[in-house]
Amino acid sequence: QSVLTQPPSASGTPGQRVTISCSGSSSNIGSNTVSWYQQLPGTAPKLLIDSNNQRPSGVPDRFSGSKSGTSASLALSGLLSEDEGDYYCATWDDSLKTWVFGGGTKLTVL
Amino acid sequence: QVQLQESGPGLVKPSETLSLTCTVSGGSISASYWSWIRQPPGKGLEYIGFITHSGRTNYRPSLKSRVTISADTSESQFSLRLTSVTAADTAVYYCARGGYHNFDHWGQGTLVTVSS
Repeated sequence: QSVLTQPPSASGTPGQRVTISCSGSSSNIGSNTVSWYQQLPGTAPKLLIDSNNQRPSGVPDRFSGSKSGTSASLALSGLLSEDEGDYYCATWDDSLKTWVFGGGTKLTVL
Repeated sequence: QVQLQESGPGLVKPSETLSLTCTVSGGSISASYWSWIRQPPGKGLEYIGFITHSGRTNYRPSLKSRVTISADTSESQFSLRLTSVTAADTAVYYCARGGYHNFDHWGQGTLVTVSS
């Protein structure tokens, strides 16, 4: 069971907007920044969102992140078939003194 | 552009030691944090630990008694050692740059299977 809770699946049709949530606690999301990772089938994870809402160079502005209290969200707008894959949130946990990942959300583009 | 490449045996026997090396190119290993993350087949990502540019380490609590991460700056490499492995340690092992705010560059991953 992951310290950070994500829905196991999400779906949308091309062009639609989808949101993926990540719920934690005061010792992790509540105290530290959240990063999001995209893992396309058969590939290594890729940093998608840094420091709650910052997009690294090369990441399309269709992807956005936000954080409020002990929860964070990843939003994908203008959904494309190539966005299909797994998405993970991650942050540092002050109590466990370790990095924690969400269980991952499998995004399906219908 | 920083690139990372994992190397090491793909098969390890139960109770033995898993050893992997990550070779870094395009960047100095004397800067940044460097991490190991694994992914059991069909499952999510699991943080293993990091080593900082000053040699400080941090390990996942549940693995702390079995894990060692070390670095060789002269070779631009850092390594993972996991002792007394079981089938539960079967996973794709990734090395990554980061462990402070994020993990911003990842290796392609290497599958390690624990089996006799």
